[in-house]
Amino acid sequence: DAKTTQPTSMDCAEGRAANLPCNHSTISGNEYVYWYRQIHSQGPQYIIHGLKNNETNEMASLIITEDRKSSTLILPHATLRDTAVYYCIASYSTLTFGKGTMLLVSP
Amino acid sequence: GAGVSQTPSNKVTEKGKYVELRCDPISGHTALYWYRQSLGQGPEFLIYFQGTGAADDSGLPNDRFFAVRPEGSVSTLKIQRTERGDSAVYLCASSSNRVGSYNEQFFGPGTRLTVL
Repeated sequence: DAKTTQPTSMDCAEGRAANLPCNHSTISGNEYVYWYRQIHSQGPQYIIHGLKNNETNEMASLIITEDRKSSTLILPHATLRDTAVYYCIASYSTLTFGKGTMLLVSP
Repeated sequence: GAGVSQTPSNKVTEKGKYVELRCDPISGHTALYWYRQSLGQGPEFLIYFQGTGAADDSGLPNDRFFAVRPEGSVSTLKIQRTERGDSAVYLCASSSNRVGSYNEQFFGPGTRLTVL
């Protein structure tokens, strides 16, 4: 799996958009970008994934740069329940989790 | 429907003892994964089953760790001669095997193992 780099922590005000960056400059052509999140004391939860195109689902949007070397996860209207560790993974098969970004959403 | 369940939720054992951790995947999911997570770290892959067979066991740290899935459903992670460094949360995940689409992994709540 390609190595990913994420900020250790980020803050976001409730109701605002949370933009979580991820660098995966060594990603190979067949590796997807996956995002999972882990709320305290729970197992990780799948959010979204993509290969080349931008993706959107009911939880979030994923913006992947044209060269695929980085991506941004967007939570359009963050709520307090979105406080969690967010993991960006570049992989073809098994998931390799790094330390992720701790997102703190405040009132 | 029911999600992935893991038992026990907490396990405290003494160094040198043998432990078994159980995972009940979502019904019908053919793929099952074990991870372990140490404090402040992301989950670390251990082993992946497709049906009854271990398709990838490259993450098992040494031969004290072993996992089985005899009937392609419930899985047991077995740790022999436990060491203090084995203390972690052990996570199980399962996924379906639909062709042509991404099969997201659904995680259980984990078993917190403490080796004294």
